[in-house]
Amino acid sequence: KNQVEQSPQSLIILEGKNCTLQCNYTVSPFSNLRWYKQDTGRGPVSLTIMTFSENTKSNGRYTATLDADTKQSSLHITASQLSDSASYICVVSEWGAGKSTFGDGTTLTVKP
Amino acid sequence: NAGVTQTPKFQVLKTGQSMTLQCAQDMNHNSMYWYRQDPGMGLRLIYYSASEGTTDKGEVPDGYNVSRLKKQNFLLGLESAAPSQTSVYFCASSYSRDTGTEAFFGQGTRLTVV
Repeated sequence: KNQVEQSPQSLIILEGKNCTLQCNYTVSPFSNLRWYKQDTGRGPVSLTIMTFSENTKSNGRYTATLDADTKQSSLHITASQLSDSASYICVVSEWGAGKSTFGDGTTLTVKP
Repeated sequence: NAGVTQTPKFQVLKTGQSMTLQCAQDMNHNSMYWYRQDPGMGLRLIYYSASEGTTDKGEVPDGYNVSRLKKQNFLLGLESAAPSQTSVYFCASSYSRDTGTEAFFGQGTRLTVV
């Protein structure tokens, strides 16, 4: 069964600090991995999409990495802001069928 | 540019009542999806539609029905609401499902069944 596991489940950091969120998956065959940001009471919004051949992709202060060999991804947030407080969801898609498996998310709280 | 619009945003139903959640997208996307999100859990796929006129079951389809009569609309019906269907429902759309392209989500419908 395809699985996507995210860690930590929740994280509290001070404004201005950096943090890294982890995503491990067992989805096979692999198509792509996406990171979404979900603000409280809102729908998820895409941050990055990574395919098999991509190791790193940035979107402003967000940098995602992918190691397809170990089936791990990370999302690094630099110089955190209060507006980064949200749930971050890792989604991995299966090649061919297009079926996507969602992680349970990491809840990030940035405090002043 | 509205993207994906869901109506209503909030709804309270009594057990046994029926209702339809509406979803509209203006991006000319082929694929549309309905998910539910329960506290502490990831989004779970209820139904999806790869193209106008076609629908397929996802992980948790029991108690729901869908229709995709127009490319821009995807409707989710609850035939006889149960308390277990209390959840936040998200509609999403993407250009294509097979390539796992980026999905755009609506703002969600918070449904409470009492």
